[in-house]
Amino acid sequence: DAKTTQPPSMDCAEGRAANLPCNHSTISGNEYVYWYRQIHSQGPQYIIHGLKNNETNEMASLIITEDRKSSTLILPHATLRDTAVYYCIVRFSNDYKLSFGAGTTVTVRA
Amino acid sequence: DAMVIQNPRYQVTQFGKPVTLSCSQTLNHNVMYWYQQKSSQAPKLLFHYYDKDFNNEADTPDNFQSRRPNTSFCFLDIRSPGLGDAAMYLCATSGGRRWEDTQYFGPGTRLTVL
Repeated sequence: DAKTTQPPSMDCAEGRAANLPCNHSTISGNEYVYWYRQIHSQGPQYIIHGLKNNETNEMASLIITEDRKSSTLILPHATLRDTAVYYCIVRFSNDYKLSFGAGTTVTVRA
Repeated sequence: DAMVIQNPRYQVTQFGKPVTLSCSQTLNHNVMYWYQQKSSQAPKLLFHYYDKDFNNEADTPDNFQSRRPNTSFCFLDIRSPGLGDAAMYLCATSGGRRWEDTQYFGPGTRLTVL
């Protein structure tokens, strides 16, 4: 499976956009990019996923580069409740498995 | 609301004393997963069920077993817990109709081994 690389931590000001980068240079053509987050002492929560095109939902936007080797998760207006560990995951093309990496610890500050 | 429920939220057991954690779901999903998450680490898949078909991860210790008596329930049995098995245990489900189906996680059970 393709591995992902994320910065270990980042800070963000409340009300500002948070841009979370992820590198997945070995991704194959039929592998999706998923983002989950885990707020302290809770189970992971699905955010968004995409294959090639940019995606947007009520939580976030996902921007995938044309070569698909990297992506950015955008939280448009970060709130204190967005403080969490954010995981970028590349999904096996024919498996149900989610392989979590170390993730990025995002701290939103007032 | 449809959801993934884990009981208990906190479980304390003694070294070597068998313990069972439970998970139930109202989503009517085909696939159920068990993950282990140790302190400050990412979740790690132990095994999953697709309907009644059990799929074990290669590095899951034999000490960990699972049962799925019906679609709604799945159990994690730890036959002889060691101190290293103290962790958060997460249950998740997915529809299973497409490989890209989203996984929905429960709140987890935090296991302490004394």
